[in-house]
Amino acid sequence: AQKVTQAQTEISVVEKEDVTLDCVYETRDTTYYLFWYKQPPSGELVFLIRRNSFDEQNEISGRYSWNFQKSTSSFNFTITASQVVDSAVYFCALSLNTGGFKTIFGAGTRLFVKA
Amino acid sequence: ETGVTQSPTHLIKTRGQQVTLRCSSQSGHNTVSWYQQALGQGPQFIFQYYREEENGRGNFPPRFSGLQFPNYSSELNVNALELDDSALYLCASSLGSPFSYGYTFGSGTRLTVV
Repeated sequence: AQKVTQAQTEISVVEKEDVTLDCVYETRDTTYYLFWYKQPPSGELVFLIRRNSFDEQNEISGRYSWNFQKSTSSFNFTITASQVVDSAVYFCALSLNTGGFKTIFGAGTRLFVKA
Repeated sequence: ETGVTQSPTHLIKTRGQQVTLRCSSQSGHNTVSWYQQALGQGPQFIFQYYREEENGRGNFPPRFSGLQFPNYSSELNVNALELDDSALYLCASSLGSPFSYGYTFGSGTRLTVV
């Protein structure tokens, strides 16, 4: 069975702090994709980053960075120098195409960034 | 690009009724998927269509069905509504494989079943 766990329900930081959102996934598939999405109060999920199971290279994109480790089945996401506009719910998702396409989302982490 | 548009934005239905939710995807987005998001939870995958055929389905009963049309629009139909069907329903589209491009999501339809 496939599963995505975001253990942090809520995180509160002060503006300019760095914050890391944790994501642990479970799958027996060897080919899969991992995503992070942001859901602001408007409700529309916004695609942030994507990583496939064969590429463990970690990257930085502006204030965003991610750490993908297959050995621990983790795909953590870091926001550097957080801003009030980063306040939202962040979802980690796992996509596979075995016996049909499916995407599994975690329960989300609500991030509050205070000025 | 006009994004992903969903209609209606809010809807109230009575238990046992049927409902059709609509989604208009970006031009060229031939993959569309639907999600159910209960309050305070992550989206749950309902199904996905690629070029008008279903190519993936989550753990939802057959009373949840869908259609995708050649003009990049799609529908989610739910029969015999139950109270637990109350949720935000999200449509998402992708240019080709969502593995490569990720999804573009609409703002959703808030369905309340009373």
